[in-house]
Amino acid sequence: EVQLVESGGGLVQPGRSLKLSCAASGFTFSDYNMAWVRQAPTKGLEWVASISYGGSNTHYGDSVKGRFTISRDNAKSTLYLQMDSLRSEDTATYYCARPGWERGNYFDYWGQGVMVTVSS
Amino acid sequence: DIQMTQSPASLSASLGETVTIECRASEDIYSNLAWYQQKPGNSPQLLIYDANSLADGVPSRFSGSGSGTQYSLKINSLQSEDVASYFCQQYNNYPFTFGSGTKLEIK
Repeated sequence: EVQLVESGGGLVQPGRSLKLSCAASGFTFSDYNMAWVRQAPTKGLEWVASISYGGSNTHYGDSVKGRFTISRDNAKSTLYLQMDSLRSEDTATYYCARPGWERGNYFDYWGQGVMVTVSS
Repeated sequence: DIQMTQSPASLSASLGETVTIECRASEDIYSNLAWYQQKPGNSPQLLIYDANSLADGVPSRFSGSGSGTQYSLKINSLQSEDVASYFCQQYNNYPFTFGSGTKLEIK
């Protein structure tokens, strides 16, 4: 059974950093591109970043480019999101998502989400 | 960036009815479009990919269609468990973008 379990969320002050993790199991993690998608309270979905299966290619949404870094450790089957220079508008539930096929870009498995609150 | 315009923002329909949700892309996305359902308090669930392919385990009353810049999600024989928000997503180009969502309620 595919499982994605996010961790690392919490309350953080504006301008500070936070690192999210997503532990994957039930599939060959190193075969799949992976992504982070977020959802601000009562708002819609926003794609944040994607990373290729080997980790060499990354892509970011305009609102986080230059501040967030997606990475992965295939040996640990774990996806990361390093979030720097956090702003109040980064407050959201962050989901780790796996695509429907190894190189795909639509998402058939999602974690339960982790809440990040940016506030002083 | 590709803008996804989704309509309507909210929808109220009776059990057994057929409803349609639409997404319009700001440029041709070559059927690289997915639809998701999100029930309150839950993570999104994939319904449709490649504009018209039904994801595993999704009831056949859900269907997707469209091409170019115009896409739609149809739900036949509306059931109470279909109460949810629905989102489209284009994955033709980075940055991937979602529609603003449609909240579906039962009348």
